[in-house]
Amino acid sequence: DAKTTQPTSMDCAEGRAANLPCNHSTISGNEYVYWYRQIHSQGPQYIIHGLKNNETNEMASLIITEDRKSSTLILPHATLRDTAVYYCIVSVYNQGGKLIFGQGTELSVKP
Amino acid sequence: GAGVSQSPRYKVAKRGQDVALRCDPISGHVSLFWYQQALGQGPEFLTYFQNEAQLDKSGLPSDRFFAERPEGSVSTLKIQRTQQEDSAVYLCASSPRTGGGNEQFFGPGTRLTVL
Repeated sequence: DAKTTQPTSMDCAEGRAANLPCNHSTISGNEYVYWYRQIHSQGPQYIIHGLKNNETNEMASLIITEDRKSSTLILPHATLRDTAVYYCIVSVYNQGGKLIFGQGTELSVKP
Repeated sequence: GAGVSQSPRYKVAKRGQDVALRCDPISGHVSLFWYQQALGQGPEFLTYFQNEAQLDKSGLPSDRFFAERPEGSVSTLKIQRTQQEDSAVYLCASSPRTGGGNEQFFGPGTRLTVL
C-alpha cells in the first residue's frame, strides 16, 4: 500500500490561505489521492479527491504534481472552524476503496 | 437527509464482556466500512462490505472481532471477550458505489472503553 507523509502540525492565520502538503512517492497509477479532515470528537469528513488533474470544490483545491508524487490541499480563506486534523490518503483502488489513514496534519487556525 | 448513524455513542465494558456496535448507513449505499481509531491515532481499516458480502476483513485484529451485514444495510461489529487494548473509537462509513474514487461518509463513532 502506498504511504503518505505529512507535517505533524501547522498554524494558519484566520482569513489567510492554508496550504497543506503531502508526499506519496510510491503511489500507483490507478490510486486516488483523497483528503479528509477530522474535527475533534467527530467522524472524518470528506474534502476532495483527485487522480491526476487539479481539482476544486466549494471547500478546497487540490493540486497534484505532474509525477503524482506529492500534492497540496489549499483552503483559500481559513476560518476558526477549519481547525482540525487533515489526512492525506491514497486509496487502494482494487480493494473496495478502503482508506489507509496516516497521522495527519493538525491544523490550527488562529485569530 | 440522514447521515450515517452509530449506536451506542459510548459503551463501557468490563474486560471479558461481549459488545455489539451498530451502524446504520445512508440508505442505498452499497459499500460499508468499519475503522478503529485509538487515542491520538488516525483511523485504521477493519473490514469492508459490498452489500451483504464481506469482501475484506484483513484489518480485523483477532478472531474475537466479527462483523456482519445480513441484509445489505445495517451492520453490526461484535467484539467477544473484550480486552483493554480494544478501547478505541469505532467508526463506520458508507459509500454509494464500490472501488476507489468514491467519497466515504462517516458516522460519529462509538467510543468503547474496556475497564
